[in-house]
Amino acid sequence: DQQVKQNSPSLSVQEGRISILNCDYTNSMFDYFLWYKKYPAEGPTFLISISSIKDKNEDGRFTVFLNKSAKHLSLHIVPSQPGDSAVYFCAATKGNEKLTFGTGTRLTIIP
Amino acid sequence: GAVVSQHPSRVICKSGTSVKIECRSLDFQATTMFWYRQFPKKSLMLMATSNEGSKATYEQGVEKDKFLINHASLTLSTLTVTSAHPEDSSFYICSATVSYEQYFGPGTRLTVT
Repeated sequence: DQQVKQNSPSLSVQEGRISILNCDYTNSMFDYFLWYKKYPAEGPTFLISISSIKDKNEDGRFTVFLNKSAKHLSLHIVPSQPGDSAVYFCAATKGNEKLTFGTGTRLTIIP
Repeated sequence: GAVVSQHPSRVICKSGTSVKIECRSLDFQATTMFWYRQFPKKSLMLMATSNEGSKATYEQGVEKDKFLINHASLTLSTLTVTSAHPEDSSFYICSATVSYEQYFGPGTRLTVT
């Protein structure tokens, strides 16, 4: 049972435009959500997170939106840069327990 | 952010031998560390939760006698792959928790020949 889903395995975006990565979850008990960026053969790098008591969190070019009623979160990257090309994983946790990861979305920024 | 290191970054071993992978939190103490495995083009699969001073908690389907985890101190957890086989070849990643965020090590590429 995939509790965290990223339905788009890949996404291509022109440099300078906005990249929007989506994530859906099924477990309403999740109370904290995170986005990670991963390059091949490297560990994931933490990007940004959001608590379930918020609906938006912003950090530089990265903004995460949470829609609890729809059980949906998204990561916006603007403006997109070539260095943003990577695989992005969303993850969810309940009460600071283990993370449940989505399947990842490969983002390619086209120069 | 918090720094987590892993050693070795790459290891090649012969089938039937054992391999130890170390995970260290460099600038913080971690009572809980996690071990993940990633197959090519797949998501991260949690193998076990490593608790300092107590036994690890293994996920369903993970053989605890094959993947030995020791969390000897607040900054070190080790994963030992015993009697390794080619199907154990994978990318192993550890992480440690700081508040709600998990910080990941750089990973260890294990190749069993």
